[in-house]
Amino acid sequence: AQSVTQLDSQVPVFEEAPVELRCNYSSSVSVYLFWYVQYPNQGLQLLLKYLSGSTLVKGINGFEAEFNKSQTSFHLRKPSVHISDTAEYFCAVSEIGAAGNKLTFGGGTRVLVKP
Amino acid sequence: DAMVIQNPRYQVTQFGKPVTLSCSQTLNHNVMYWYQQKSSQAPKLLFHYYDKDFNNEADTPDNFQSRRPNTSFCFLDIRSPGLGDAAMYLCATSSGLAATYEQYFGPGTRLTVT
Repeated sequence: AQSVTQLDSQVPVFEEAPVELRCNYSSSVSVYLFWYVQYPNQGLQLLLKYLSGSTLVKGINGFEAEFNKSQTSFHLRKPSVHISDTAEYFCAVSEIGAAGNKLTFGGGTRVLVKP
Repeated sequence: DAMVIQNPRYQVTQFGKPVTLSCSQTLNHNVMYWYQQKSSQAPKLLFHYYDKDFNNEADTPDNFQSRRPNTSFCFLDIRSPGLGDAAMYLCATSSGLAATYEQYFGPGTRLTVT
């Protein structure tokens, strides 16, 4: 079984400042990694994913994440945030080859961008 | 645009009164999922269908049932809602192919139990 830990439940940040959201995972097998964003009263939207290849992954809205296998981490970064980035962010993993492509989510990080 | 649609967006039901939530997709995906998300928590998988094969999570209460009459539609039935079932219910789809592992989520249905 796998688990996902998002180390920060809330991250306040000023507009135009950088932000990093931390994600660590535990799994006995290889996994695919994802970051999703959820705006209030909406579903989840995929920001980016790591399946294979380059460990630095670029996603939508200026976000990027780096996969570090030795540290079992997949931290999300944005160099300059906007007010519109205020949302909840979820890190998730899926075991490679698992039936049904099931996701295991972290507890979420709420980002509050202040003017 | 191809998408995942959930109806209604907001549903109010009475304690113990059966309720059905609906999900449809135009992505022609093989896999459909139902999640329960309570306030300030991560989504929790209830069950999923791979084509017509139903897969229940071990800790999903018997009060929750699902139907998938065809590829496009999937329903979540709550037989006797309790106050603790108030939550956002999210439907998601996936192609089921290893090359495109991501899940596509609908906007959710927020269920209130009075």
